[in-house]
Amino acid sequence: AQSVSQHNHHVILSEAASLELGCNYSYGGTVNLFWYVQYPGQHLQLLLKYFSGDPLVKGIKGFEAEFIKSKFSFNLRKPSVQWSDTAEYFCAVKTNAGKSTFGDGTTLTVKP
Amino acid sequence: DGGITQSPKYLFRKEGQNVTLSCEQNLNHDAMYWYRQDPGQGLRLIYYSQIVNDFQKGDIAEGYSVSREKKESFPLTVTSAQKNPTAFYLCASSPFSTLDSPLHFGNGTRLTVT
Repeated sequence: AQSVSQHNHHVILSEAASLELGCNYSYGGTVNLFWYVQYPGQHLQLLLKYFSGDPLVKGIKGFEAEFIKSKFSFNLRKPSVQWSDTAEYFCAVKTNAGKSTFGDGTTLTVKP
Repeated sequence: DGGITQSPKYLFRKEGQNVTLSCEQNLNHDAMYWYRQDPGQGLRLIYYSQIVNDFQKGDIAEGYSVSREKKESFPLTVTSAQKNPTAFYLCASSPFSTLDSPLHFGNGTRLTVT
């Protein structure tokens, strides 16, 4: 069975600081990788996804993530965070069985 | 305006009662999912359905039941057998169950059982 591990439960940054959220997964087969974001009071939405090709993928609002197959990792990055990036971030893997498995989530608080 | 509608937003029940959470989508998506979200535990898959009249257990299906009689509807029943039913429940859908289809989420139903 697949599993997803997010390294940080709560991250606090000041505006303009750089962000990296760790995500590792465990699965022996082919996966697609996703980052979802839940802004306060809003529903979960897709931030970015990796399917194939270039392991560095870009998403909305300046976020990017790098898939490193040898490390089973899909870390999320942003060079300079804004107060509006305060949200909960979830890493997820999807397998051929159609199941999406999520990590426990990381709450990001950006101080103005 | 397409989307996923979960109702009600808040639901209160007495222990021992079954309760059904509604999920409707007008996105014409084939696959639908139910997740449970608890603080610090992320989202855990309860049930999912890839086509009408078919569904599979997820990781925490005990105490729950579902039906998929129509493409647009995937109701979840929380039965009295569910030991810890108080939680935030999220319904999601995707165009197909294929690998690259992301999930689209509803706004959730917060169930409180006392």
